[in-house]
Amino acid sequence: QVQLVESGGGVVQPGRSLRLSCAASGFIFSHYGMHWVRQAPGKGLEWVSYIWKDGSNQYYADSVKGRFTMSRDNSKNTLFLQMNSLRDDDTAVYYCARDRQQSDANWFDPWGQGTLVSVSS
Amino acid sequence: SSEVTQDPAVSVALGQTVRITCQGDSLGGYFASWYQQKPGQAPVLVIYDQNNRPSGIPDRFSGSNSGYTASLTITGAQADDEADYYCNSRDSSGNQWVFGGGTKLTVL
Repeated sequence: QVQLVESGGGVVQPGRSLRLSCAASGFIFSHYGMHWVRQAPGKGLEWVSYIWKDGSNQYYADSVKGRFTMSRDNSKNTLFLQMNSLRDDDTAVYYCARDRQQSDANWFDPWGQGTLVSVSS
Repeated sequence: SSEVTQDPAVSVALGQTVRITCQGDSLGGYFASWYQQKPGQAPVLVIYDQNNRPSGIPDRFSGSNSGYTASLTITGAQADDEADYYCNSRDSSGNQWVFGGGTKLTVL
């Protein structure tokens, strides 16, 4: 079945870096754009970034632009999020999700189970 | 970037109908999608492309769009529907996406 599994979360000090991974299975990974979405403790969902299916273009939320870089390795069915200059407010569960589109509609399905990033000194 | 707004909390009596709404400028150009999230779990898609349900989502869930407002309706709410619900839309630039703040649904 279609599955996304995130990894790489943990505790990191402010200003340091962390790299998240998302392993995809059950579908042709190279045929789909992908997203990262995060959720701070007790808060709502926040879209973080999107990458085209061939990895040639990425879009970012203003809150992470210039600090986070999204990439993918289609030969290994894996998505990445390189997070630099981490701040306290980056603390969140990070989810990867597959992008689906049709004309003027866009949706996220499925989602991974998430990986927790805690930025703390 | 654009914003979409949702009521923070809504309640419904068991078996009754409830509508959760989402408002924002981006909804004039892109259809909203809706996600259900229960405590400690990842979000799950419940409505996409105006009024389509993924496999496994009960038909008591439906969606609609009108102007700059999107709605999720649950007809005959069940206890299992108690959860947080989020709408999402691509923003007017087409280069970012935005979630509503979420609506906590309580089934009484």
